[in-house]
Amino acid sequence: EAGVVQSPRYKIIEKKQPVAFWCNPISGHNTLYWYLQNLGQGPELLIRYENEEAVDDSQLPKDRFSAERLKGVDSTLKIQPAELGDSAVYLCASSPSGSVHNEQFFGPGTRLTVL
Amino acid sequence: QKEVEQNSGPLSVPEGAIASLNCTYSDRGSQSFFWYRQYSGKSPELIMFIYSNGDKEDGRFTAQLNKASQYVSLLIRDSQPSDSATYLCAFDSNYQLIWGAGTKLIIKP
Repeated sequence: EAGVVQSPRYKIIEKKQPVAFWCNPISGHNTLYWYLQNLGQGPELLIRYENEEAVDDSQLPKDRFSAERLKGVDSTLKIQPAELGDSAVYLCASSPSGSVHNEQFFGPGTRLTVL
Repeated sequence: QKEVEQNSGPLSVPEGAIASLNCTYSDRGSQSFFWYRQYSGKSPELIMFIYSNGDKEDGRFTAQLNKASQYVSLLIRDSQPSDSATYLCAFDSNYQLIWGAGTKLIIKP
């Protein structure tokens, strides 16, 4: 079974530029999460999708961040414009459909550097 | 605010010994607890989860949960150098995982 796929793996941009990250979850996983992780910290949830619906986006900075999951499978997270403080690893995770315990499986992440 | 507390370490353990990692959490209503392993530069990898009081064993790993004390631990028996990583504890709260900052474990050959 293929794992969660993310691209790109690395991205370096200048501040004020836009950037987008792509995620394809494990087949059959209807729940998809976007997290950011800073060095030495645990992941921080940005948004959670159930199929194509964003059911928790309370921690997404909506002035510059947006996300979509139009067909309920793959998802895109966008930052526009990027700021220096956005440098982090952006992780996508998915969870099995009907999971009682919410075990989540992570992709390899995208390491973003904003200069 | 819901929190998870972990000692950041590093915790240094000789090869072949038992590594003991601990975590406390704030939400008494939490039902599911997770241990993830994260190698440097990699993403978190699920090791195991536990939801009943007591012990749960999977190979060299044992998770222990004490809901009354709001405490969860991970024991790694016969520690190997490949176990050197950061171990993240998390609990589920309304379909959101609340994460600790992780404990860095170093297994010395």
